[in-house]
Amino acid sequence: QSVLTQPPSVSGAPGQRVTISCTGSSSNIGATYDVHWYQQLPGTAPKLLIYDNSNRPSGVPDRFSGSKSGTSASLAITGLQAEDEADYFCQSYDSSLSGYVFGTGTKVTVL
Amino acid sequence: EVQLLESGGGLVQPGGSLRLSCAASGFTFSTSWMHWVRQAPGKGLVWVSRLNSDGSSTAYADSVKGRFTVSRDNAKNTLYLQMNSLRAEDTAVYYCTRGRGFSAYDQRFDPWGQGTLLTVSS
Repeated sequence: QSVLTQPPSVSGAPGQRVTISCTGSSSNIGATYDVHWYQQLPGTAPKLLIYDNSNRPSGVPDRFSGSKSGTSASLAITGLQAEDEADYFCQSYDSSLSGYVFGTGTKVTVL
Repeated sequence: EVQLLESGGGLVQPGGSLRLSCAASGFTFSTSWMHWVRQAPGKGLVWVSRLNSDGSSTAYADSVKGRFTVSRDNAKNTLYLQMNSLRAEDTAVYYCTRGRGFSAYDQRFDPWGQGTLLTVSS
C-alpha cells in the first residue's frame, strides 16, 4: 500500500553524510502536501524527526535536515553516529486515496 | 509529559472482533485529532484511521473501511478502535498517535504510543 518509495537501505561510516530519498507522485508530494519524517529505533515506536518538509521538533539534533522538491523529498543525516542506526519513514497526504501515506522505509546502518 | 498508552491487543480468530483503547495524558485530548497506524511484523507503517477532535469526522484506509470504527470519549481522554471481521492480514502492532497540523491534509503524527499487538490466527 506504500505509494511513497524509499531505498531499502543506506549505510555510512561514523561522521559521514547519508541521504534518504522519498519519491511520490502528483497526488501526494507533488500536490504540495507537506512531507514528514519519522525515526524508528529497533523495538520502539516511531518518533517524529522532521515535519513540514524541513522543520525539526525540539530536541532533534541539527544533524538531521529535510528538503522537498517536485514529487520528491529527502532526509539528510550529517555527522552520522552509531545511535542513528534505525528505520526511517517519510509520510504525506494523498488526495487520490483521501488518506495518509508512508514511505516504504529505509534502514540506516552505521558501518 | 505527553503520553499515549494503548491496550486491548491479543489473539483473535479470523472473523472475530476486538476493541483497542488508547489512554492519553499530558495534553488537551479534547482538542486533538487522533489517528491509528499499524505495522505488520517486519513491515512498514500503514495509516489506518483518523478522528477529529469532537468525533464528528472520521477517515479510514480502504483496507479497513466498513470493518473498523474509530471513536473517542473526551471525558475519559481515551481513543478507541473497534475492529470487526478480522483477517489474518490485520495482524500488526497498532499505534495510536496524535495528529498535529492546521488541516486534515497536513497532519503529522506526534507523539506515538508504545503500540499493542493484534494477532489474527486460528
